[in-house]
Amino acid sequence: EAQVTQNPRYLITVTGKKLTVTCSQNMNHEYMSWYRQDPGLGLRQIYYSMNVEVTDKGDVPEGYKVSRKEKRNFPLILESPSPNQTSLYFCASSFTQGYNEQFFGPGTRLTVL
Amino acid sequence: GNSVTQMEGPVTLSEEAFLTINCTYTATGYPSLFWYVQYPGEGLQLLLKATKADDKGSNKGFEATYRKETTSFHLEKGSVQVSDSAVYFCALSEGFSGGGGNKLTFGTGTQLKVEL
Repeated sequence: EAQVTQNPRYLITVTGKKLTVTCSQNMNHEYMSWYRQDPGLGLRQIYYSMNVEVTDKGDVPEGYKVSRKEKRNFPLILESPSPNQTSLYFCASSFTQGYNEQFFGPGTRLTVL
Repeated sequence: GNSVTQMEGPVTLSEEAFLTINCTYTATGYPSLFWYVQYPGEGLQLLLKATKADDKGSNKGFEATYRKETTSFHLEKGSVQVSDSAVYFCALSEGFSGGGGNKLTFGTGTQLKVEL
């Protein structure tokens, strides 16, 4: 089944404790992206990647890092989480040519205390 | 920059009622327009899309027409069901040619609740 998976689905952590949210897709998509969803703000792009080893900032990159060492994986890293990073996070992927509908993962709900 | 404005929710309707969720946009180029749906506890699913002016996207009884003159993409359904209860997001993208790498710019979402 074609899908985008994220782990963990739920995470409660404390300020300053480094964490990684994984994202993996099995559709051979070149493009991957991270969004955060906050009430009243919709979804906002954090980082995106056009292909392996190619990443760029989105609208709200502060406090986040990403890497793209393999085509299928695009982890989101919070080196020192803070409470304002409490949010619902979505990973998405698509092809870069032709039909480029973005497919979304199920979301990761992060709480930083 | 680009932006999307959609009507505030929540919207509560009786089953079989007519649904309209308004969406207007601001864009510098010629974006594609989308409606995504988010069911409780799930990720976003593409509901429908339109890629150029006057295109009509449709799926599962939902429709939206890309109106360049009014910069709108209102979502409609003639007869809603309880199973349509979800959050609906209007979004635009200028694809890979518009900078920002196929970024989707979303509205704030409209929660729809359909009651028997």
